[in-house]
Amino acid sequence: GIQVEQSPPDLILQEGANSTLRCNFSDSVNNLQWFHQNPWGQLINLFYIPSGTKQNGRLSATTVATERYSLLYISSSQTTDSGVYFCAVRHISGNTPLVFGKGTRLSVIA
Amino acid sequence: EAGVTQFPSHSVIEKGQTVTLRCDPISGHDNLYWYRRVMGKEIKFLLHFVKESKQDESGMPNNRFLAERTGGTYSTLKVQPAELEDSGVYFCASSRDSARSGYTFGSGTRLTVV
Repeated sequence: GIQVEQSPPDLILQEGANSTLRCNFSDSVNNLQWFHQNPWGQLINLFYIPSGTKQNGRLSATTVATERYSLLYISSSQTTDSGVYFCAVRHISGNTPLVFGKGTRLSVIA
Repeated sequence: EAGVTQFPSHSVIEKGQTVTLRCDPISGHDNLYWYRRVMGKEIKFLLHFVKESKQDESGMPNNRFLAERTGGTYSTLKVQPAELEDSGVYFCASSRDSARSGYTFGSGTRLTVV
């Protein structure tokens, strides 16, 4: 099946810093989503972005489908950004479910 | 539109007991999915319903897990009997079109088996 690799696995930032999280995938996809799992365990949808670029406040994401990667940018990080960020993709055939990467654990310290 | 609703938000049960998790998808979403994240590991797919039919249950770990979606609306996931390794967060998601739409996830049920 399709493989999803996220990097880095862990990231510690000072409040106010910027960061870039990466998601590589092994095959063509028709769905790519970024999620944030907060410290309470809730999974928050950040972006549905199978291709192109989107922005939402301090967060933005870019997916280059032809090169099989996506980037999540976090600017001016805040302590509330802490948690685990997951990338998930679905193979272009559409016959398989969303597959998650192992996540990037982000800790933002004051 | 209302989001995906999961109940309960937390459950603590003893090993050997039974627990039933419920998921109410977004109205009009035929596709319903169950996922779980155990012991801080990866989020793993469990199964996929299209309306009331099981489209893919390849991720169900064993026969202690039973999922139903009677009438094609809400779904339940029963664990019987629960084991310690079943502890984790169980997520439900729904989508309008399995091939083109994004998934909307619920807030999850945190299950602790003691």
